[in-house]
Amino acid sequence: GAVVSQHPSRVICKSGTSVKIECRSLDFQATTMFWYRQFPKQSLMLMATSNEGSKATYEQGVEKDKFLINHASLTLSTLTVTSAHPEDSSFYICSARQDRNNEQFFGPGTRLTVL
Amino acid sequence: AQRVTQPEKLLSVFKGAPVELKCNYSYSGSPELFWYVQYSRQRLQLLLRHISRESIKGFTADLNKGETSFHLKKPFAQEEDSAMYYCALITNAGKSTFGDGTTLTVKP
Repeated sequence: GAVVSQHPSRVICKSGTSVKIECRSLDFQATTMFWYRQFPKQSLMLMATSNEGSKATYEQGVEKDKFLINHASLTLSTLTVTSAHPEDSSFYICSARQDRNNEQFFGPGTRLTVL
Repeated sequence: AQRVTQPEKLLSVFKGAPVELKCNYSYSGSPELFWYVQYSRQRLQLLLRHISRESIKGFTADLNKGETSFHLKKPFAQEEDSAMYYCALITNAGKSTFGDGTTLTVKP
């Protein structure tokens, strides 16, 4: 099946720094990718929908200036958490939707810890 | 706007018992519906989609347009079915909406 990778898998940073997370669809094209947060033992929270070549669509309550999304190619989307604070610590998951059949494939997630 | 509701946050059954995870949706168009599963320490993965009408790992789900439901069923639950299950909908415009998820625990 199709594979989505995320890098890094785990990152620890100091408060005030910025962190970039990459999401790649390894063997398929994905015009649309999604970014989620998942809190411990809780459901996914959609943060934004990333469309190749256009601006991301953010969900209500998600600060677009804080969570910068770039989807520069059909296989890569990046999420940059700017000026990270401890409350941004979370598990960030991306998914890529396969263009040909709408199936979504999920990355393994990135554990962000902000000290 | 479309919405997916999974009314049960937690569901617990004994091994061998039938299990049904509920999913209701609201959408004015013709949706595509999916069930995704997340096992402990693993990534989310597709379990089944209504278009394919397959049975995966013994699970089935029927789209009931009259009741706007897409409940996930299995006649005999196994311990390895313990996981978090998400119901998801894709609109005609390609927008994805996930339910809040149901954590299924199958007890021995």
